[in-house]
Amino acid sequence: SQTIHQWPATLVQPVGSPLSLECTVEGTSNPNLYWYRQAAGRGLQLLFYSVGIGQISSEVPQNLSASRPQDRQFILSSKKLLLSDSGFYLCAWSVLFEQFFGPGTRLTVL
Amino acid sequence: GESVGLHLPTLSVQEGDNSIINCAYSNSASDYFIWYKQESGKGPQFIIDIRSNMDKRQGQRVTVLLNKTVKHLSLQIAATQPGDSAVYFCAEPKGSGGGADGLTFGKGTHLIIQP
Repeated sequence: SQTIHQWPATLVQPVGSPLSLECTVEGTSNPNLYWYRQAAGRGLQLLFYSVGIGQISSEVPQNLSASRPQDRQFILSSKKLLLSDSGFYLCAWSVLFEQFFGPGTRLTVL
Repeated sequence: GESVGLHLPTLSVQEGDNSIINCAYSNSASDYFIWYKQESGKGPQFIIDIRSNMDKRQGQRVTVLLNKTVKHLSLQIAATQPGDSAVYFCAEPKGSGGGADGLTFGKGTHLIIQP
C-alpha cells in the first residue's frame, strides 16, 4: 500500500531563517506531487505541483520554492521566512484523480 | 472565476442523526468532485468522489449527490457518530488537466456532533 511521509511534524522558526520541508511517498511510482498551505481555520491553497523529476509548477508568487530531486521526494524551501509563511503545510500525491495527503507540518514563524 | 464553496461554515447535529453537508461549485467543466474529511491537526482524508456523469454515489455510511443543473454537491453521512466530528471539504480539479495540476478546495464545513 502507498504511504506518504512528511517531516518535521512541527517547526518554529525565526523570521529571516531558511526553511526545508520534506515529503516522501512509498509504494507508487511516478506520482504527481503537490504542496498545499492551510492557514488557521481556512481551506487549502495549492502552492506547487510536480508531474515528474525536476518538473515544478508554481501556483502563487511568493518567497517559497519547491524541488523534486527524486521520483518520490518533494521538498519545499525558503531562503528567508516571513511571518506570513506560518501555517499548516500539506504534501499530497496522486496517480489518477484522487489526491492523498500526508500528515502535514505545522510551521510557526516568530 | 472558478470556485468551490460551502453554504455553512458550521453544522451541529445530534449523535445518531443524519448529516448533510452542501457545496456549490461554479466550474461546469469539472468532470469529478471529491469530499475530504480533516480532523484537527491532521491532513485531509479522502472520503468519496463522484464523476460528473453520475448523480449519486454511495460508500460506507456516506452518499454523495451531484446536481449539475444547479451546480450543487452534497455529502450525506448516515447515523452520525462522534468520530465524524471534523471539517469537511469539497474539491474539484483545477483547470482542465484532470486534476494533475491540483485541486481547488472549498472553505470547509465544521461538523460538530452533540451527544
